[in-house]
Amino acid sequence: QQQVKQSPQSLIVQKGGISIINCAYENTAFDYFPWYQQFPGKGPALLIAIRPDVSEKKEGRFTISFNKSAKQFSLHIMDSQPGDSATYFCAASIGRGSTLGRLYFGRGTQLTVWP
Amino acid sequence: DVKVTQSSRYLVKRTGEKVFLECVQDMDHENMFWYRQDPGLGLRLIYFSYDVKMKEKGDIPEGYSVSREKKERFSLILESASTNQTSMYLCASSLETSGPMEQFFGPGTRLTVL
Repeated sequence: QQQVKQSPQSLIVQKGGISIINCAYENTAFDYFPWYQQFPGKGPALLIAIRPDVSEKKEGRFTISFNKSAKQFSLHIMDSQPGDSATYFCAASIGRGSTLGRLYFGRGTQLTVWP
Repeated sequence: DVKVTQSSRYLVKRTGEKVFLECVQDMDHENMFWYRQDPGLGLRLIYFSYDVKMKEKGDIPEGYSVSREKKERFSLILESASTNQTSMYLCASSLETSGPMEQFFGPGTRLTVL
């Protein structure tokens, strides 16, 4: 079953707007929540990540909001730009045991930012 | 810069052929991964390896096998390719660490099985 559920599948935002992508999980053992960004023809690359001991992490225009009790986290892209048009994946992992290093990915959100 | 390279960007094979996809990383990473990416299904883990000669099944290992004879190289093998294995295949690597585990991805191999 899908360990991490991501929505929406696609998102169209006007330049300067806010893009919001949401993810939910069930496994409370997850302790690392990264977001990956993938441009056409490239492999995904780490964008930003959060640990569950904080509720928010901001890097430039990108912010992760984390709600531990609801088991949800989201990516907010402020002042969205056409260059942000890409596919975004949320993920989760457990940082110990035999699954060390393994990421469970959401299904991805294709973001298009119109100029 | 970490570099993960994959042997081919595009590959066309026939049903029943044995197919080898090669991945090499240059950062001495312990962990290596093979994913397939399909529209609407995201990244699905096929196999991963946390050490030389070690392998673990991911979520969709059926029809695939892997080989890791050297730390830097991780091969994905399709023993008898089928049309439903037409997909984008992505290799990734990461350090063995108790901290956050960033995975570094290669550019992918788009495989078409006719």
